[in-house]
Amino acid sequence: DIQMTQSPSFLSASVGERVTLSCKASQNINKYLDWYQQKLGEAPKLLIYNTNNLHTGIPSRFSGSGSGTDYTLTISSLQPEDVATYFCLQRNSWPLTFGSGTKLEIK
Amino acid sequence: QVQLQQSGAELAKPGSSVKISCKASGYTFTSYAMHWIKQTTGQALEWTGYIAPGSGGTKYNEKFKGKATLTVDKSSSTAYMQLSSLTPVDTAVYYCAIGGYGAYNWFAYWGQGTLVTVSS
Repeated sequence: DIQMTQSPSFLSASVGERVTLSCKASQNINKYLDWYQQKLGEAPKLLIYNTNNLHTGIPSRFSGSGSGTDYTLTISSLQPEDVATYFCLQRNSWPLTFGSGTKLEIK
Repeated sequence: QVQLQQSGAELAKPGSSVKISCKASGYTFTSYAMHWIKQTTGQALEWTGYIAPGSGGTKYNEKFKGKATLTVDKSSSTAYMQLSSLTPVDTAVYYCAIGGYGAYNWFAYWGQGTLVTVSS
């Protein structure tokens, strides 16, 4: 199985700050990498698919990049409503595997 | 609008089985695969498997073979996941989510989750 390692596990940042979350795969996943946002008590929600494609209705302050084994989710200007845990998911190989998440809070 | 409405919380005894449901609306049920994802209280997410509603074809995470059984009822646009031989480690929230096929299988929409608690 492909292991997905997210860092950091926890991040505290100020409103308006640029935030970068990382996801590293144990092998090349050919950009089949998605990002999901999960707010407390809610189901995960798709933010970005295939590394850098913004899902319908997602604000443009969210963006994704990466290739090979290394991927990044960037929030250009952190907003209070972005408090959540963020998970990456690889879809290159079965079984599909998630990262362990980055919990993001406002400083 | 796409909606995935899951059944309510379950409390089950060790060794028993539960069957949870996911009723789909707002799209053509057979056009998307139905995936199931497990989330434990530690927040880890595990992909369990998916079913293609049109054909009934399934693909499971090896870890969940023998544990989870996926079925659908096309007449009611409802997907089901049965969990058997329950143990406390099966205690989790289980989500259904739809995705396309092949390279398009990101999880575009999710159900609200069903909490399964296994306890004597």
